Amino acid sequence: QQQVKQSPQSLIVQKGGISIINCAYENTAFDYFPWYQQFPGKGPALLIAIRPDVSEKKEGRFTISFNKSAKQFSLHIMDSQPGDSATYFCAATNLNFAGGTSYGKLTFGQGTILTVHP
Amino acid sequence: DTEVTQTPKHLVMGMTNKKSLKCEQHMGHRAMYWYKQKAKKPPELMFVYSYEKLSINESVPSRFSPECPNSSLLNLHLHALQPEDSALYLCASSQDLRAPYGYTFGSGTRLTVV
Repeated sequence: QQQVKQSPQSLIVQKGGISIINCAYENTAFDYFPWYQQFPGKGPALLIAIRPDVSEKKEGRFTISFNKSAKQFSLHIMDSQPGDSATYFCAATNLNFAGGTSYGKLTFGQGTILTVHP
Repeated sequence: DTEVTQTPKHLVMGMTNKKSLKCEQHMGHRAMYWYKQKAKKPPELMFVYSYEKLSINESVPSRFSPECPNSSLLNLHLHALQPEDSALYLCASSQDLRAPYGYTFGSGTRLTVV
C-alpha cells in the first residue's frame, strides 16, 4: 500500500514535444505529491508539487495533473528541451501525523529516464 | 543559503574501516534525512531526524549509525560495511515533518566499499 507506481521507465521525445510521465498510488493517506528531477551525479531537485485539493498545478513548462478518484497523477513537460534530459521521480507523502506510517516519509516511484533529442 | 552541503563527495573504504559522512544546512530546517540510492533506482529512506531526535529508522543495519549533533548538522558513521553498501548517500532537509515544502537534497556522497 506504500507503493507509488511510475511509468514509463524511459521516454524519448523530440525537442519541442510534450513529455508525459504517469504515477499511481494506493495509500489514500498520501496528501502531498512532489516531482523531482535528477541529473547524473546530483541529488534530486524539487520540480513541482501538488496537494489533492486541486486538480492541476502549472509552473512554467511543467504541469501536474491530479485525479484523486483514480489515485493517479502525472507530469507534463511542454516544449521539451534537451536540457530537460534527466531522471524524473514522482513521490508521495502524508503531512498528517494521524495518517499512519507514511508520515514524514517520501515514497518514490521507480523513476523515468527522459531523453530529449535536439 | 538554500543548500544542503555533503562531504566528502567521493569515498572509498575497506570493509574494516570506520568513516563518517557529513551533511550541513543553514536554512533553519528542523527535519533532516539520510537516503541511500543505488544506480537507476529511487532514493530509499534510511533515517529521519526531527528537532535533533531520531524519528524514523527504516530497519537499517547497525553498521550505519546516524548522529545529529545540532540543528544544522547530520552525520552518518560507517563501520564494517559490505561491498553491497556501495551507493550514493543523500542527505536532505525540510522545514519539519509536517511541512516538506522546500525539501532539499544535497548532491550526495558516492561511497565505494572495497
